[in-house]
Amino acid sequence: DGGITQSPKYLFRKEGQNVTLSCEQNLNHDAMYWYRQDPGQGLRLIYYSQIVNDFQKGDIAEGYSVSREKKESFPLTVTSAQKNPTAFYLCASSLQSTSGGPIPYNEQFFGPGTRLTVL
Amino acid sequence: GQQLNQSPQSMFIQEGEDVSMNCTSSSIFNTWLWYKQDPGEGPVLLIALYKAGELTSNGRLTAQFGITRKDSFLNISASIPSDVGIYFCAPRTGNQFYFGTGTSLTVIP
Repeated sequence: DGGITQSPKYLFRKEGQNVTLSCEQNLNHDAMYWYRQDPGQGLRLIYYSQIVNDFQKGDIAEGYSVSREKKESFPLTVTSAQKNPTAFYLCASSLQSTSGGPIPYNEQFFGPGTRLTVL
Repeated sequence: GQQLNQSPQSMFIQEGEDVSMNCTSSSIFNTWLWYKQDPGEGPVLLIALYKAGELTSNGRLTAQFGITRKDSFLNISASIPSDVGIYFCAPRTGNQFYFGTGTSLTVIP
């Protein structure tokens, strides 16, 4: 089945450690995104990538890093520089807006999320 | 960033009642999406709207893309307990998606 997978579902980290969250998609989507969600809040964009080997900062990129070496994969590293990393992290993907073709090329699909807790 | 206002913030309704929520913005968008999120899960797409004025239904859900392209509403008819969750509007421009703060829906049996 096509979809987006994130692993692990729950992650615990000691303060001061870097940690990498995995995101894989087999939807052949060009664009991938990372969002952060805090309790009772909406989604805030961390990073996004429109094409392999290219990515752009979102609204809250400080303390995070990403890579896009393969179309299917967009891992997120939460570094020790992130002051308040405990949150629910969501990965998403979509076709490029310039991909054309039939609708639904404007839709964004989400993975199941990773809950990161810093101890 | 984009100014996006979603209301109401929360709703408590009796099973069988209809629900209405909306999002407004000062910006124009090309697409409006509506998602539902269950606790601890990723959002799931409910309805996608692509044209100003478009009215689309998906079962008991109906959504409309405002004529001005700055707003959208989502209605749920005859609510049931499994409608519980947080509903987000997510308009799109280019490759950027913007999310409302969500409407938390509680359905009382």
